[in-house]
Amino acid sequence: NAGVTQTPKFRILKIGQSMTLQCTQDMNHNYMYWYRQDPGMGLKLIYYSVGAGITDKGEVPNGYNVSRSTTEDFPLRLELAAPSQTSVYFCASGPPTLNTEAFFGQGTRLTVV
Amino acid sequence: AQSVTQLDSQVPVFEEAPVELRCNYSSSVSVYLFWYVQYPNQGLQLLLKYLSGSTLVKGINGFEAEFNKSQTSFHLRKPSVHISDTAEYFCAVSDVNRDDKIIFGKGTRLHILP
Repeated sequence: NAGVTQTPKFRILKIGQSMTLQCTQDMNHNYMYWYRQDPGMGLKLIYYSVGAGITDKGEVPNGYNVSRSTTEDFPLRLELAAPSQTSVYFCASGPPTLNTEAFFGQGTRLTVV
Repeated sequence: AQSVTQLDSQVPVFEEAPVELRCNYSSSVSVYLFWYVQYPNQGLQLLLKYLSGSTLVKGINGFEAEFNKSQTSFHLRKPSVHISDTAEYFCAVSDVNRDDKIIFGKGTRLHILP
């Protein structure tokens, strides 16, 4: 089973460039999340979605955008990359009862130089 | 709002020794509690969860955790660790009564010493 798939695994961006981190899940989960992980800081929620067409901000949304046109896909967009966005990004999904579990992708390591 | 405190950022333990990773959460409302494990260069995977019922929860790889409502704690334990347990461990909480997100702690890095 594929579960949650993130692409790319690694990326280096120059300051001011834009990119989209892709996330897709094949478990028919309603809930999807984007987190960033910085050393010693745990996971911080960027955006989440409770279903197709619905998105909401998490703790650290500035500098990011998301869309949820289908149940399967939840891409994260960086419009003007900044060094502060250097991080490891994780996508996760969860069943309709939101708070009983989250399934994580393998992560995208992004460096902005 | 809920918050989670993992009291130790790093825990060194000798192989085959017992270990306890501590976790406290902020709110006294009804909660779901989780421990996730992250092996090097991988995503997080669920180790165990408490939703209701018995306060002692058993998970994968010989780990268990005990929910203590009066102390708002959910400490993770293993009686004998193995080198393969080297990983980062995250405690997480969510509010039962709110259709809301899971809040993660900052993580505890477990170092197994030979």
